[in-house]
Amino acid sequence: SQTIHQWPATLVQPVGSPLSLECTVEGTSNPNLYWYRQAAGRGLQLLFYSVGIGQISSEVPQNLSASRPQDRQFILSSKKLLLSDSGFYLCAWSRPKEQYFGPGTRLTVT
Amino acid sequence: DAKTTQPPSMDCAEGRAANLPCNHSTISGNEYVYWYRQIHSQGPQYIIHGLKNNETNEMASLIITEDRKSSTLILPHATLRDTAVYYCIVRVVLGSGNTGKLIFGQGTTLQVKP
Repeated sequence: SQTIHQWPATLVQPVGSPLSLECTVEGTSNPNLYWYRQAAGRGLQLLFYSVGIGQISSEVPQNLSASRPQDRQFILSSKKLLLSDSGFYLCAWSRPKEQYFGPGTRLTVT
Repeated sequence: DAKTTQPPSMDCAEGRAANLPCNHSTISGNEYVYWYRQIHSQGPQYIIHGLKNNETNEMASLIITEDRKSSTLILPHATLRDTAVYYCIVRVVLGSGNTGKLIFGQGTTLQVKP
């Protein structure tokens, strides 16, 4: 069976500090991978998606970047965090029609 | 922008069927309707999806109107553990078609009461 992992589960970072969130998927090969963000009290917003190693598509302009160095690894990064980057970050993988979400990382920028 | 509208909240008695409505009047012919739910501080959980026909699985049933402009998620025997935010989503195709974007709205907060 497939599983998706995210870490860390929670993170508190000061404004201006760098960020690296990691997502890995087990039990499948060549998955489509996604990063979503959920701001407090709101629905999820797609940030990035990837259909293969090194292939990243960005949905919204922002302070973040994504990379996919390996088939089942997806990384979300920032060089300098802003207060507005606070939120719940979710990684997802998909079969052709269904997306499955990881447990998420709750980021608080102070 | 979300392509669906849902009531912000609903109550349901434990053991009864929960019927959650959703409007998606601008849905395109090749766009699927998905339902997810999210329990506080957890990742969304996939429930069911459909295109035109009604669908049923071990969790729920999905009824889609013939014109595809609305749908209803049915939880046949709601339990207290079904209390969650339920999202009705239209999946927008990206790129080649095997990649899709889920556009989340505000969802419906379902409260199952004993």
